[in-house]
Parts: sequence; C-alpha cells; structure tokens
Amino acid sequence: GAVVSQHPSRVICKSGTSVKIECRSLDFQATTMFWYRQFPKQSLMLMATSNEGSKATYEQGVEKDKFLINHASLTLSTLTVTSAHPEDSSFYICSARDPRGSSGGADTQYFGPGTRLTVL
Amino acid sequence: EDKVVQSPLSLVVHEGDTVTLNCSYEVTNFRSLLWYKQEKKAPTFLFMLTSSGIEKKSGRLSSILDKKELFSILNITATQTGDSAVYLCAVKETSGSRLTFGEGTQLTVNP
Repeated sequence: GAVVSQHPSRVICKSGTSVKIECRSLDFQATTMFWYRQFPKQSLMLMATSNEGSKATYEQGVEKDKFLINHASLTLSTLTVTSAHPEDSSFYICSARDPRGSSGGADTQYFGPGTRLTVL
Repeated sequence: EDKVVQSPLSLVVHEGDTVTLNCSYEVTNFRSLLWYKQEKKAPTFLFMLTSSGIEKKSGRLSSILDKKELFSILNITATQTGDSAVYLCAVKETSGSRLTFGEGTQLTVNP
C-alpha cells in the first residue's frame, strides 16, 4: 500500500513553545490529508481536514489559531501546535487520501506512524 | 452527529480462542465501514465493507456488514499473541473522505 511518513516520531518540549509536525505522502500525491489526535486509551479524533492549496477545515472545538495547518504541496502537510501546554500532550496522527484507490477502495486513507508530543 | 460504538472495549483471551468484535453505527449518509488494527503506532487497514451480507476474509480474520441493523462484526479465529492490538472501526459518509472512528476494542491474547 501507499506510504505516509511523519516527522518527528517523538517530541518533548517546554510549555509555551511551538512544535511543528510534518506529514508526507511518499509515493503518491495526496490532495487531502487529515490530522487526528489520540489520547491514551481513546480513539482517534479528527482535528482537521487539510486540502492542498486551500485553508484547512477544522472540526468543532479545535482551535484553528492553536493548531496551524499548512498543506502547501501535494505531498506535504504540516501541523504546528502553537504555545503548547501540557494538555496538548497527545499522539498526533496524520492520514493521506490516495485518490488512486486500492484494496481499501477509492479514497483510501493511509496513516502515518504518528508523533507523540509531550509538553512539560 | 455521526456515532460509532464498539464493544467490548476490552477483551482478554488465550491463544487459540476465537473472538468477535462488534461495531454499531449511526451515520446520516453511510458509504462504507472500515476496520483497522492499531498496535503501538498508527492504524493499519484491514477491511472495507460497503454491501450487506458479503463476508470479507483475510487469513484468520473476517468481517461482515449488516446495513439493515447498522452493525458489523470482526472475527478472529485461532488467535495468536500477535493479534494483540486495538481494533478500530470507522465509518465513511458518502460526502468527502472523512472517517468517524469508534473507541476501539483492546484485544489481549495471552499465550
């Protein structure tokens, strides 16, 4: 299947700093990428949908000024957690939609390996 | 609001047992239901179901969808310790590619 990478895999930062997470589709062009957050023992919660060349669509309750999303190319989307606080500590996962389809059908989403953010 | 409910939330079995994981959903414009396996990192795709009554099978795993009852099950036969993971059910609507996930079932297979 298609490959999606995330960088970094783990980051520890001090409260008040900003952290940027990259999501790349390695062997396909992803017009749409999704950012999820997962707290321990909970499911994936969609934060925002990122479309190449346009503004991201945020889910209700997600602050767009705090979680800045940029999808400047067909293979890269970035999530910047601004002024991070301990409550932002979580596992952040991106997925990229492969429009070519696969065994998962058209619009299959492939997930990156995730980024574990710890804010001290 | 779309809703996906999985049960049980947690399950502990012995190697060789057969397990059935459940997923029910309430979605306005249902398109497909997907099952994922999540170990330590990101979910990996298992199955996508769009039609009722057609079983999808991959090795010891199989899944089926009942669109009338808004329900799907994931079966794992002859479980192995490597099957230990969180199994996530997600539903996709007809519009867009957005997935709504259930809480997941934490499966632990003991030797």
